[in-house]
Amino acid sequence: EVQLVESGGGLVQPGGSLRLSCAASGFTFSGYWMHWVRQAPGKGLVWFSRINSDGSTTTYADSVKGRFTISRDDAKNTLDLQMNSLRVEDTAVYYCARGVSWGVDYWGQGTLVTVSP
Amino acid sequence: QTVVTQEPSFSVSPGGTVTLTCDWSSGSVSTNYYPSWYQQTPGQTPRTLIYSTNIRSSGVPDRFSGSILGNKAALTITGAQADDESDYYCMLYIGSGSWVFGGGTRLTVL
Repeated sequence: EVQLVESGGGLVQPGGSLRLSCAASGFTFSGYWMHWVRQAPGKGLVWFSRINSDGSTTTYADSVKGRFTISRDDAKNTLDLQMNSLRVEDTAVYYCARGVSWGVDYWGQGTLVTVSP
Repeated sequence: QTVVTQEPSFSVSPGGTVTLTCDWSSGSVSTNYYPSWYQQTPGQTPRTLIYSTNIRSSGVPDRFSGSILGNKAALTITGAQADDESDYYCMLYIGSGSWVFGGGTRLTVL
């Protein structure tokens, strides 16, 4: 069974940093692109980052470019997201998702990040 | 600015058929945008319904189908059920390793 479990969310002050992780199991992690998607309270889904299967290519939405870094450790089957210079508008539930054929198929349960003074 | 537009809301009668659409501000949506569709009940994790225009994700009933209708991506739900009442999001691949979600459609079954 495919499972994705995010961790690392919490409360952080504006300008602070946080590192999220997504533990993958039930599939060959190294063979898949992985994505991060977020959802602000009461708002819609927003795609913001992807990493390819070997970690050589990463892409970001303009809203997080230069502040967030996506990475993967295929030995540990984990996807990470380093978030720096956090802003109030980064407050959201953060989901990791497995890529499939230019979409995503499996989702984690999400982890809440709250950026507040 | 890249904008993906969906109907903000839609209603369907139980047992009825509804088609939700996904439009792209920069032109026509084609299979080259690999449209995908996701269902989310408020407070729950998103569930993948369709990817790559018309491929149903594992476990998704064939009441859900994806297509290109005219210049838009479309999700059709036939035989609507009460538990289909959810938010539905489309996502497009817009090139250069970037994706964009639409704003979502809130579907009411009544």
